[in-house]
Amino acid sequence: GQSLEQPSEVTAVEGAIVQINCTYQTSGFYGLSWYQQHDGGAPTFLSYNALDGLEETGRFSSFLSRSDSYGYLLLQELQMKDSASYFCAVRDQGHSGAGSYQLTFGKGTKLSVIP
Amino acid sequence: DVKVTQSSRYLVKRTGEKVFLECVQDMDHENMFWYRQDPGLGLRLIYFSYDVKMKEKGDIPEGYSVSREKKERFSLILESASTNQTSMYLCASTSLGERRNEQFFGPGTRLTVL
Repeated sequence: GQSLEQPSEVTAVEGAIVQINCTYQTSGFYGLSWYQQHDGGAPTFLSYNALDGLEETGRFSSFLSRSDSYGYLLLQELQMKDSASYFCAVRDQGHSGAGSYQLTFGKGTKLSVIP
Repeated sequence: DVKVTQSSRYLVKRTGEKVFLECVQDMDHENMFWYRQDPGLGLRLIYFSYDVKMKEKGDIPEGYSVSREKKERFSLILESASTNQTSMYLCASTSLGERRNEQFFGPGTRLTVL
């Protein structure tokens, strides 16, 4: 099975940098994803890391260390619109061959950006 | 842009009713998923499908079944709704191509079982 741990809540100031950590325990691992979800909205994809290292996309970066079973999402130059829940998710192979796979999500981190 | 639609945003049913939740995607995606989301529990996978008529159980399949007769449509069925199935239900899809690591979510159906 899979289990993921991430902080339940984080508060940060507008313009600052915040890091949301995710540790995981898995029986099989293909990669770590991050999703953003605003209140009342659907989750939207932010990033995917399959290999160790840092991936940068604009103000957001995601890091993975496979040996430590650890990753993080880094948000820079925080804006009020970044207030949302952020979920890490581990990709695992399904049981039915190459075409089937599934994601297991963490419980989410609620980020509040304050002025 | 990929569009995933769900048949209802809000649904109220009574205990024991049979409930159908429909999901349609318009990008010819192979994989489709049903999750439920509850406060403090994140998203939990109920069932997924990697091809027409093919399905695989997720982490919490009890009390649910699914149907995928056409590639674009994935249905979640609550055979006999119970109050503990009150939740937000999210459908998602993904391709096996270049964006295979990205799941596209529908807007969700908030189901209340009385």
